[in-house]
Amino acid sequence: NAGVTQTPKFQVLKTGQSMTLQCAQDMNHNSMYWYRQDPGMGLRLIYYSASEGTTDKGEVPNGYNVSRLNKREFSLRLESAAPSQTSVYFCASSEGPSGGTDTQYFGPGTRLTVL
Amino acid sequence: AQSVTQLGSHVSVSEGALVLLRCNYSSSVPPYLFWYVQYPNQGLQLLLKYTSAATLVKGINGFEAEFKKSETSFHLTKPSAHMSDAAEYFCAVSSWTSDKLIFGTGTRLQVFP
Repeated sequence: NAGVTQTPKFQVLKTGQSMTLQCAQDMNHNSMYWYRQDPGMGLRLIYYSASEGTTDKGEVPNGYNVSRLNKREFSLRLESAAPSQTSVYFCASSEGPSGGTDTQYFGPGTRLTVL
Repeated sequence: AQSVTQLGSHVSVSEGALVLLRCNYSSSVPPYLFWYVQYPNQGLQLLLKYTSAATLVKGINGFEAEFKKSETSFHLTKPSAHMSDAAEYFCAVSSWTSDKLIFGTGTRLQVFP
C-alpha cells in the first residue's frame, strides 16, 4: 500500500498564479484533510472532508478551495497565490467519518514557495 | 473549544538521557490526546494516543505518555534517548464530538552523542 500520496513534492509559483495540489489515499478512508505547516505555528487545518461528497472549512480556509473528487482523492486549489501561502502542505486521511479517536495518516508533503 | 500548549520549542538531550516533552491541553469535554512525530522532510506519524482507557499509554520506539486530568497534561517521555529520536514532536487534542485534530506548535528534539 502506498498510503497517502501527494503531488507535486515541490512547487514555485509567482504571485497571482494558480495551482492544484493533489492527494490520494488507498486505505479506503472516509475522512481527508488538508493542513499547512509554518515554522512555530504547528499544523493548521485548511479544509477537511468527513466523507465523500462533503467538505468543511478548517481554521485557515481563506484563499483556498477544495474538491473531494471521489473517496480516494482530495485536491486543494490556490486560485491566486500570495506570498503568505508559502508553506508546507500536508494531506492526511482517517477512517472516519466520526474521527475523534482516529489515527490520521499523513502524506509526505508539498513544499510551496510563492514569489 | 480545545487547545494544546507545548512548552519548549526546542529540547536538547544527550544520548542515553531521559526525554521529557511537555504538553498541556484545554478541553470542555473529555479529550482524546495524541502525540505525532515528524522526521526531517517527512509527514507526521502517530506515536501514541489516549482515548479514555488506561491513563498510561505506551507507544512506538519506547515512548510513553501519562494522562493527568488534574494537571491537564499529557507529557511524553522516553527513559533513554537515541540518536534516531531526533525529530519534531507534536501534541494534538480531539474529542468524541469532533473529527478534527488541534495541534500544538511542536517541540524539536535534538540528541547529542
